[in-house]
Amino acid sequence: KAGVTQTPRYLIKTRGQQVTLSCSPISGHRSVSWYQQTPGQGLQFLFEYFSETQRNKGNFPGRFSGRQFSNSRSEMNVSTLELGDSALYLCASSPGTWASEQYFGPGTRLTVT
Amino acid sequence: EDKVVQSPLSLVVHEGDTVTLNCSYEVTNFRSLLWYKQEKKAPTFLFMLTSSGIEKKSGRLSSILDKKELFSILNITATQTGDSAVYLCAGRTQGGSEKLVFGKGTKLTVNP
Repeated sequence: KAGVTQTPRYLIKTRGQQVTLSCSPISGHRSVSWYQQTPGQGLQFLFEYFSETQRNKGNFPGRFSGRQFSNSRSEMNVSTLELGDSALYLCASSPGTWASEQYFGPGTRLTVT
Repeated sequence: EDKVVQSPLSLVVHEGDTVTLNCSYEVTNFRSLLWYKQEKKAPTFLFMLTSSGIEKKSGRLSSILDKKELFSILNITATQTGDSAVYLCAGRTQGGSEKLVFGKGTKLTVNP
């Protein structure tokens, strides 16, 4: 099976712009979770989508949003970018049951200048 | 607030040594604990633990969970330079969600 894919892999944006990141889960997986990883804060949960519905949300401002499509692909959007949004954004895919593992994609490295 | 704490933060050993990495957790409605290995890219899955006292093994790696004392350990025997990585543990909450709460990780360096 193909793994989790994320596009783009690298992105440079300026403050105030917005960005959209994409994640394609493993075939058959219905849950997609998004995480932000920074050196200072480590891996922090952003939100999770299951069957096109947001199932849980972390403690991030409303500038961070996401959605999931009927084919389970997911996008996350960050509006009005700030310097502090520079991070590695990882998505993780799982079948969506409580007993299942999560598998991570390679991440999108976002740099905000 | 949910919290996962890993220790030590970093560790330097020689090839062939055995290491033990620690993870303590305070996670609301705890469901399971997961271990990941992260080299330069995405975390790769190692173990998922749901029951106390049952050791999971994969080659030279093993892990166990203590739900009474709220901690887990990851053991690596006969370490190799390829084991050098950041090891992350994460607590998973119940409630129909896939939210993982991660610790900051233990950076393991194995010298030849």
